[in-house]
Amino acid sequence: RKEVEQDPGPFNVPEGATVAFNCTYSNSASQSFFWYRQDCRKEPKLLMSVYSSGNEDGRFTAQLNRASQYISLLIRDSKLSDSATYLCVVNMRNQGGKLIFGQGTELSVKP
Amino acid sequence: GAVVSQHPSRVICKSGTSVKIECRSLDFQATTMFWYRQFPKQSLMLMATSNEGSKATYEQGVEKDKFLINHASLTLSTLTVTSAHPEDSSFYICSAIRDKAMGQFFGPGTRLTVL
Repeated sequence: RKEVEQDPGPFNVPEGATVAFNCTYSNSASQSFFWYRQDCRKEPKLLMSVYSSGNEDGRFTAQLNRASQYISLLIRDSKLSDSATYLCVVNMRNQGGKLIFGQGTELSVKP
Repeated sequence: GAVVSQHPSRVICKSGTSVKIECRSLDFQATTMFWYRQFPKQSLMLMATSNEGSKATYEQGVEKDKFLINHASLTLSTLTVTSAHPEDSSFYICSAIRDKAMGQFFGPGTRLTVL
């Protein structure tokens, strides 16, 4: 079983749609959680950290459920520029900052 | 935000040659840097953790004699792919931690093609 699992997609949605990505992690020692965005042939860029209380940044909302070991990302009013691969990432406790990446979920927003 | 640079951005080399990739943190000191590899349509796979002033820690299955890592200063880590072969062709990305709560900052990546 992969340590971090995501639906690879692709998700094809029209502009303005709301889209939700799910992610599960297997190691309960996971300490910190992030969503990264990666554009084609580019490096990943941090989209947002994920906190147990849930957090929102504009059109993006992230949720964490430690009991279920589940992370989500909700994008509202999607834009063409949101098209990218979204990576669910966890950081392991006491492993010096080592990150474990999910395989990514590809999003394509169409006009 | 924090900036991490990589050089070169793209390299094409012949099989059997060695290639050095540099990773620099431009506006902060990074005692720890990470090297990843990403094949097409796959996620990033951690190759090794580079520690300033000490030996790198390699992930299982990564040959330390083939992928030489040197972290000579708080702002520079290098990855040398020795005796490169076509199967080493990949996108190599480094990252550095500035603040644990902020995750890692990634360099722009180096696309290696071995002919």
